[in-house]
Amino acid sequence: AQRVTQPEKLLSVFKGAPVELKCNYSYSGSPELFWYVQYSRQRLQLLLRHISRESIKGFTADLNKGETSFHLKKPFAQEEDSAMYYCALFQYGNKLVFGAGTILRVKS
Amino acid sequence: DTGVSQDPRHKITKRGQNVTFRCDPISEHNRLYWYRQTLGQGPEFLTYFQNEAQLEKSRLLSDRFSAERPKGSFSTLEIQRTEQGDSAMYLCASSLRGRDEQFFGPGTRLTVL
Repeated sequence: AQRVTQPEKLLSVFKGAPVELKCNYSYSGSPELFWYVQYSRQRLQLLLRHISRESIKGFTADLNKGETSFHLKKPFAQEEDSAMYYCALFQYGNKLVFGAGTILRVKS
Repeated sequence: DTGVSQDPRHKITKRGQNVTFRCDPISEHNRLYWYRQTLGQGPEFLTYFQNEAQLEKSRLLSDRFSAERPKGSFSTLEIQRTEQGDSAMYLCASSLRGRDEQFFGPGTRLTVL
């Protein structure tokens, strides 16, 4: 079955420290992966998708098919990065399969 | 166009009652999705529409759940004979085409007492 696993419920880092939010997936086929973010009191929004290969707000994510991972990284965390982050996979029919999410807390 | 809207934002009901939620997608988006999110979990797919056609329903969607998109614009999700296990955040999303970015609404939080 297609599944997305985010092993950390909470990741707490200091401002300026590097951030890596982990995401592993299982999918039979060519995966299309996303990171969604939900800031406090805001709706869920797309952060980035692997096919665009962009850096958004300093975040990048590389698809590693060998390790079936799509970890989200940022070299220097900022306080405004504090949010809930969800990794998601496009499934047949283009519905999204989400992980359970990781809360990122950036401390000053 | 202010994005996907959902109404109501909050609904408290007693077990056994029926509830209906509405979603207004971004205009011209022909794909509309419903997801459910419970505490500590990511959103889970329920169903989706392409225009007015309901193309897929999750096994999570029991017979008590029904969704419609009568004119290919807004959609409604009805839950009949609500149960306490139906308490969740119900999210709606829309996209222009199948593999495009899905834009989410603010959600409707349902509490079944």
